[in-house]
Amino acid sequence: EIVLTQSPGTLSLSPGDRATLSCRASQSVSSNYLAWYQQKPGQAPRLLIYGASSRATDIPDRFSGSGSGTDFALTISRLEPEDFAVYYCHHYGSSTGTFGQGTKLEIK
Amino acid sequence: EVQLVESGGGLVQPGGSLRLSCAASGFTFSSYSMNWVRQAPGKGLEWVSYISTSSSTIYYADSVKGRFTISRDNAKNSLYLQMNSLRAEDTAIYYCARDRGGYYDILTGHYRGGYFDSWGQGTLVTVSS
Repeated sequence: EIVLTQSPGTLSLSPGDRATLSCRASQSVSSNYLAWYQQKPGQAPRLLIYGASSRATDIPDRFSGSGSGTDFALTISRLEPEDFAVYYCHHYGSSTGTFGQGTKLEIK
Repeated sequence: EVQLVESGGGLVQPGGSLRLSCAASGFTFSSYSMNWVRQAPGKGLEWVSYISTSSSTIYYADSVKGRFTISRDNAKNSLYLQMNSLRAEDTAIYYCARDRGGYYDILTGHYRGGYFDSWGQGTLVTVSS
């Protein structure tokens, strides 16, 4: 089973800043089966990115995903107030789904 | 509009049972694999179980294998999770989630799960005496 490690655990930035969140896999992720979700307090997660770099429907283009193999990243080019939330990466395409432990993006 | 509405959560004693339901609408339910994902209070996401469109392929996380049973009724557009022998560590919000991007593995004859493009709002299960 692939283990996903997200870093940092907490990221403190200001609106307008650029955010880069990391997700490292314990072994190579085949076919870039890697997704990213955003979760705000009291809400269900929302799909942002799938296939490592494809944006989901209605996701603003300030969100982008990159990476391959074992190293992946979610970049938010210019933080808006509504972007402060917890972000999870997710490995799929196997018999078990695996999530990273999450990165909390907080206002500095 | 895709809608997933979970129900059936509540307070149950350790060792007890509970059956969760997820009512789907706004899409052709029988054409999508489905999942259950849970989140313990203040913790991260944990995938629980997967079921393919015709129920031919089912997977469970090791933490629930042998205690939980996933099922679906395509005629009723509903997904279920039967939870037996509940433990305190099963306390969590349980989400149903629609599966996208999965595929049929020719080598094994099984489906492989995809990412989760739509989620319900969740139902809280509390296991406590």
